[in-house]
Amino acid sequence: KQEVTQIPAALSVPEGENLVLNCSFTDSAIYNLQWFRQDPGKGLTSLLLIQSSQREQTSGRLNASLDKSSGRSTLYIAASQPGDSATYLCGRGYQKVTFGTGTKLQVIP
Amino acid sequence: NAGVTQTPKFQVLKTGQSMTLQCAQDMNHNSMYWYRQDPGMGLRLIYYSASEGTTDKGEVPNGYNVSRLNKREFSLRLESAAPSQTSVYFCASTPDRVIYNSPLHFGNGTRLTVT
Repeated sequence: KQEVTQIPAALSVPEGENLVLNCSFTDSAIYNLQWFRQDPGKGLTSLLLIQSSQREQTSGRLNASLDKSSGRSTLYIAASQPGDSATYLCGRGYQKVTFGTGTKLQVIP
Repeated sequence: NAGVTQTPKFQVLKTGQSMTLQCAQDMNHNSMYWYRQDPGMGLRLIYYSASEGTTDKGEVPNGYNVSRLNKREFSLRLESAAPSQTSVYFCASTPDRVIYNSPLHFGNGTRLTVT
């Protein structure tokens, strides 16, 4: 069974800090790795998708990397803002996406 | 730009009652998915439909049935609700049969409580 793990489950940082969220997965035969944001009471919003042939993707203050050999992906958030407070989930898969349980981020003003 | 629309937003059922969760997307996507989200368990795939006319089981299909009515709509039915089915249900879609390069688009969820 494919497993996806996200540690820590929760993270609290002061505004302006750069931070890294971690995602690890079993089975290096990965097709893509997606990062999502979930706000309370809402669905998931796709942030970045990294194909297996890529090593990283960037969107604004966000940068996601993929290391298939170690089974890890990281989401780097630069200059964090209170509006970044949300739960961040990673998902891996092909026809079916398997998700981690997420990291709940709180950015303190 | 509606995206993925789920109805209802909230529902309370008694054990043994039945109901259908509706999902529609207006993005002309081929593939659609039903997930449930439970605290500490993350999102788990219930059923998916790679294209109109096809459906396949996911990780937790027991107690559920699905119908891909047309390309736009994918419904999830609980025939005899149980308290273990209390959860938040999400519908998602993606343009391609193969989601190699296409992110998932999610609805806002249906919050179901079974008493």
